[in-house]
Amino acid sequence: EVQLVESGGGLVKPGGSLRLSCAASGFTFSNAWMSWVRQAPGKGLEWVGRIKSKTDGGTIDYAAPVKGRFTISRDDSANTLYLQMNSLNTEDTAVYYCTRAFCTAGSCTQFDPWGQGTPVTVSS
Amino acid sequence: EIVLTQSPGTLSLSPGERATLSCRASQSVSNNYLAWYQQKPGQAPRLLIYGASSRATGIPDRFSGSGSGTDFTLTISRLEPEDFAVYYCQQYDTSSRFTFGPGTKVDIK
Repeated sequence: EVQLVESGGGLVKPGGSLRLSCAASGFTFSNAWMSWVRQAPGKGLEWVGRIKSKTDGGTIDYAAPVKGRFTISRDDSANTLYLQMNSLNTEDTAVYYCTRAFCTAGSCTQFDPWGQGTPVTVSS
Repeated sequence: EIVLTQSPGTLSLSPGERATLSCRASQSVSNNYLAWYQQKPGQAPRLLIYGASSRATGIPDRFSGSGSGTDFTLTISRLEPEDFAVYYCQQYDTSSRFTFGPGTKVDIK
């Protein structure tokens, strides 16, 4: 069974840092393109960033609101995806989901499956 | 950046009725890279439709997607009790960015 399990969320003060992890199982993680998507309380979904597989170049792309503050990385030996979040502000408060790109006909432009999410609260 | 607009914001229907959800893009969505997701309270989103019209694995055939360019539609032919949820469209553009629409809530009338 394909499974994604996030961890590392919690309460952090504005300006602080937090690192989220996503443990993957049930598929060949090293071949997967992975993304982080967040959802602020009562709001919609917002893509945070994506990392391609190393065999596809390992390119990392970020959404404008997090570029320069957040860093996505992966450890293929541990089947784990990471999200390092620095300079956090109250607008970063959200549930953070780890998700895999679902690839078909050469395009990896949708997400399936998703983890259960880990909540991050930025507050003083 | 391509902006997605979904309408209506809320759709109030009864079980057995047909639901038609709209997703409009501010620019043409390349290669119909348009997906739909369902999200229930307290749960993660679930992929329903990709490539504008292809159903994901395990998705019942009462769900269908259509459209191209800037106008896309998700249709639920006969609402089942478990279909009352929020639905999001999502696109991928050539600058390697993903965006989601604001969502349509389908609730019980």
